[in-house]
Amino acid sequence: GESVGLHLPTLSVQEGDNSIINCAYSNSASDYFIWYKQESGKGPQFIIDIRSNMDKRQGQRVTVLLNKTVKHLSLQIAATQPGDSAVYFCAEMLSNTGNQFYFGTGTSLTVIP
Amino acid sequence: ETGVTQTPRHLVMGMTNKKSLKCEQHLGHNAMYWYKQSAKKPLELMFVYSLEERVENNSVPSRFSPECPNSSHLFLHLHTLQPEDSALYLCASSRQGVDSPLHFGNGTRLTVT
Repeated sequence: GESVGLHLPTLSVQEGDNSIINCAYSNSASDYFIWYKQESGKGPQFIIDIRSNMDKRQGQRVTVLLNKTVKHLSLQIAATQPGDSAVYFCAEMLSNTGNQFYFGTGTSLTVIP
Repeated sequence: ETGVTQTPRHLVMGMTNKKSLKCEQHLGHNAMYWYKQSAKKPLELMFVYSLEERVENNSVPSRFSPECPNSSHLFLHLHTLQPEDSALYLCASSRQGVDSPLHFGNGTRLTVT
């Protein structure tokens, strides 16, 4: 099956700094991507999504960038706060599998006050 | 508060027990999923129900038996589990047919003794 991987398993940032979490995907047919945040003891929470016809999408303090040439996805968090500490993982959906998603293992983000 | 509710939050069972996990979604979605989350592994898709019909069964052992009586409810019946089945079991729902994210519950933490 397809694999979605993250470059770094852990990331520590100072409060107030910007965070960048990266994700690589292997299937150029993937056309829909999602970033999730998972806090301890909770299920994954939707953050932001992007379709393959876009390169960038912004939300509240978050931006997702999609580079289809190198099959790379990133999540940027502006002015990182302690409440942003969590595991973040990306998911890709392959159009030829309907709504079946493939997930990465996640990056653990720790915000240092 | 999540629109997907899972019960129980924690479950400890012996290998000879029979138990069931319950999931309910209040989002009007037409697809429901069971995922298994183990430490340091990507989310593993177990079952998918679309319009109350099972459309995906990812080679899951028969000791796991799903049931979807209607579009809002999903069960996972457990019988004769093994210690390696200990994990976080996540339920999710989505709108099939469109690019739409999965919405997850907070999971059931299962420990098999």
